[in-house]
Amino acid sequence: DIVMTQTPLSSPVTLGQPASISCRSSESLVHSDGNTYLSWYQLRPGQPPRLLIYKISNRFAGVPDRFSGSGAGTDFILTISRVEAEDVGIYYCMQATQFPRTFGQGTRVDIK
Amino acid sequence: QVQLVQSGAEVKTPGASVKISCKASGYAFINYFMHWVRQAPGQSLEWMGIISPVTTYRHYAQKFQGRVTMTSDTSTSTIYMELSSLTSDDTAVYYCVRADVQDFDSWGQGTLVTVSS
Repeated sequence: DIVMTQTPLSSPVTLGQPASISCRSSESLVHSDGNTYLSWYQLRPGQPPRLLIYKISNRFAGVPDRFSGSGAGTDFILTISRVEAEDVGIYYCMQATQFPRTFGQGTRVDIK
Repeated sequence: QVQLVQSGAEVKTPGASVKISCKASGYAFINYFMHWVRQAPGQSLEWMGIISPVTTYRHYAQKFQGRVTMTSDTSTSTIYMELSSLTSDDTAVYYCVRADVQDFDSWGQGTLVTVSS
């Protein structure tokens, strides 16, 4: 199974400041079709997870442009350019290149 | 809009089975694979398996092989996930998820399953 490792596990951030979350996979996520199926999800209290970013850097419909994704191969980053109060939650990376689908441990973002 | 509405919370005793439903609406049910993902208290998200709503294709995580059964009813646009031989480790929120190609673009509201004697 592909192991997904996120750092940090907790990220206290000042409102309006940036936040970055790293996600590393135990092997390359480049699929045989040429795509890299690395996505990011946000989990807010009392809500189901929400897709933010797919295929490394594509923002899903309705996701604010302060969220961005980057990376390649085995190393990926989710960046929130200016954290807002509604961004508090837990963020997960997930790989969908191979079965089983696997998630990172989650990174908790909260306000200092 | 896409909606995935799951059945309500369940309380089960160890050794029992649970069957959760997920009714889809707002899109062409037969065109999208569906997954089940769970989250135990304090834990990360855990993928359980994938089901085609119209073919016999299923693929389960090895951890759940022999204990999980995923089914589909195209007449009601509903998928089901049954998990047997429950233990306290199965206490979790269970989500059905629609997959647009490989991306989990829509999630059900979640169903809390509590396993307790």
